[in-house]
Amino acid sequence: AQKVTQAQTEISVVEKEDVTLDCVYETRDTTYYLFWYKQPPSGELVFLIRRNSFDEQNEISGRYSWNFQKSTSSFNFTITASQVVDSAVYFCALAGSGTYKYIFGTGTRLKVLA
Amino acid sequence: GAGVSQSPSNKVTEKGKDVELRCDPISGHTALYWYRQSLGQGLEFLIYFQGNSAPDKSGLPSDRFSAERTGGSVSTLTIQRTQQEDSAVYLCASSLWGPGTGELSYGYTFGSGTRLTVV
Repeated sequence: AQKVTQAQTEISVVEKEDVTLDCVYETRDTTYYLFWYKQPPSGELVFLIRRNSFDEQNEISGRYSWNFQKSTSSFNFTITASQVVDSAVYFCALAGSGTYKYIFGTGTRLKVLA
Repeated sequence: GAGVSQSPSNKVTEKGKDVELRCDPISGHTALYWYRQSLGQGLEFLIYFQGNSAPDKSGLPSDRFSAERTGGSVSTLTIQRTQQEDSAVYLCASSLWGPGTGELSYGYTFGSGTRLTVV
């Protein structure tokens, strides 16, 4: 069975603090894809990143970085120097190779306070 | 269009009534998905359309739910005899191709959803 766990329901930080959102997944597939999506108050999910299971390189995009570790089945997301505009619900998702059904975690609500 | 458009954005209906939710995908996107987001829950897969292939309806929670996609473009999700547990945000997404292709690397494009409240 496939499962995505985002244990942090809600996180509050003060602007400019760094924050890490945790994502732990379960799958028996050898090839799979991991995603992060941002859902701002407007409701529309915004694609942030996709990772292949065979590529464990970490990725940095501006203030965002992702740490993928197969050994711990984790795909954590770090925001450096957080800003109020980062306030949103963030979802981690998993898709097996050749499938089209994303398995989403329950999301982490991030509140960045000015 | 520039993005995935869903209508209505909000719908309040009485228990037992039927509702129709509409999704206009990005022009040219052949794959279309419906998900449901209940309060405090993740996103639950409902149905998937890919081109002219038979849709995957395995996520539909009951036979009160149905969906169609006309002309490979606009999709309508219909809920008959609505129940209070149907209250949720219904999200539509589209992608250029189905999974297992390069498009997967870009992820889905989601609409803003329809918030359905059954009273």
